[in-house]
Amino acid sequence: DQQVKQNSPSLSVQEGRISILNCDYTNSMFDYFLWYKKYPAEGPTFLISISSIKDKNEDGRFTVFLNKSAKHLSLHIVPSQPGDSAVYFCAASGETTDSWGKLQFGAGTQVVVTP
Amino acid sequence: NAGVTQTPKFRILKIGQSMTLQCAQDMNHNYMYWYRQDPGMGLKLIYYSVGAGITDKGEVPNGYNVSRSTTEDFPLRLELAAPSQTSVYFCASSPRRSSYNEQFFGPGTRLTVL
Repeated sequence: DQQVKQNSPSLSVQEGRISILNCDYTNSMFDYFLWYKKYPAEGPTFLISISSIKDKNEDGRFTVFLNKSAKHLSLHIVPSQPGDSAVYFCAASGETTDSWGKLQFGAGTQVVVTP
Repeated sequence: NAGVTQTPKFRILKIGQSMTLQCAQDMNHNYMYWYRQDPGMGLKLIYYSVGAGITDKGEVPNGYNVSRSTTEDFPLRLELAAPSQTSVYFCASSPRRSSYNEQFFGPGTRLTVL
């Protein structure tokens, strides 16, 4: 039962343009949402997060938007750079005793930034 | 700081063999985790630990065992390897019960069971 879904397995974008990655979730108990970036043969690295009490969080070129009523979040990368070519995972967790620490990951979106 | 280290990087096992995947962190983190990632899928939590001597099951614990005798080390044991355990295994750690639960990942171990 996939609680976090990334329906686009891949995305190709031109350097300098905006990359938009989408993520949907089904569990209304999720309180926190995180994006991780992964290069080949490396572990995922944390990119940006957002709490369910916010609808936007920015960090440099990366902005995450949360639409809680639609159970949808998106990651915007502006402008896209060649070094952004990687797999991006959306993840979610809750603050309840049972769900804390148990990150639920989406399947990932492969981003390719072309010159 | 080496961060989270995992050994080996690659391993091929025969069905029924056993092995231990090693994980160590030098950040003095209390919380440690083991995930597996199958092709085209997200990471799934196998086991986690909130401190030395305390471990608990994640989403997919069957066929695995863990121990946590020190803060630094969190080995994952496969007793009777099966082809379904072919996967990439990631170990992670986090410093505390933080609100955003940012976890730091190792580089992974790619395991093939034939």
